[in-house]
Amino acid sequence: DSGVTQTPKHLITATGQRVTLRCSPRSGDLSVYWYQQSLDQGLQFLIQYYNGEERAKGNILERFSAQQFPDLHSELNLSSLELGDSALYFCASSERPDRADTQYFGPGTRLTVL
Amino acid sequence: EDKVVQSPLSLVVHEGDTVTLNCSYEVTNFRSLLWYKQEKKAPTFLFMLTSSGIEKKSGRLSSILDKKELFSILNITATQTGDSAVYLCAHTSGTYKYIFGTGTRLKVLA
Repeated sequence: DSGVTQTPKHLITATGQRVTLRCSPRSGDLSVYWYQQSLDQGLQFLIQYYNGEERAKGNILERFSAQQFPDLHSELNLSSLELGDSALYFCASSERPDRADTQYFGPGTRLTVL
Repeated sequence: EDKVVQSPLSLVVHEGDTVTLNCSYEVTNFRSLLWYKQEKKAPTFLFMLTSSGIEKKSGRLSSILDKKELFSILNITATQTGDSAVYLCAHTSGTYKYIFGTGTRLKVLA
């Protein structure tokens, strides 16, 4: 158990819908990361937050958005869902952005878009 | 464009063999090179490398970085069936973006 929690574990929804994925970082970690892992694209970095502020942006689609709240939990919002958005979404946390060696991944949320 | 290329894509060995996994990268503003192990769940961190020529070791695993030639290797000696996994290489840049390779799938046969 990494100490990073993600809810829900599984999510099945239809095209065009909107979903919210939730992540609680390990105690004491200020940085939160979101990743998407699909069979054809591998692991893709989406976005990073540090202490409530966006720190780095990767290959995140405009239909996706995220935020980190004052209690440091984070949410990833996916809207106008398409079949290709079906993937495993991981959240990770670390002490700080420069401490990649302290980065721990959560168990992931598996999203299926039908 | 920043990228990471891993080779081989897949590898099958027998227990006790030594394997070397390769990672080459291109990045405009290098910060660190990372190795992860991914079994049937989330990736777990193995090594972070920031300086050339300094080997990092953890048990039977070791890794080294060559910043001049832009590559890193991950060595696993005396492989065990528990080493079967996908090994991911990634680099981070000065902007804190992470770029991952597609991974090397290692299968260790008993």
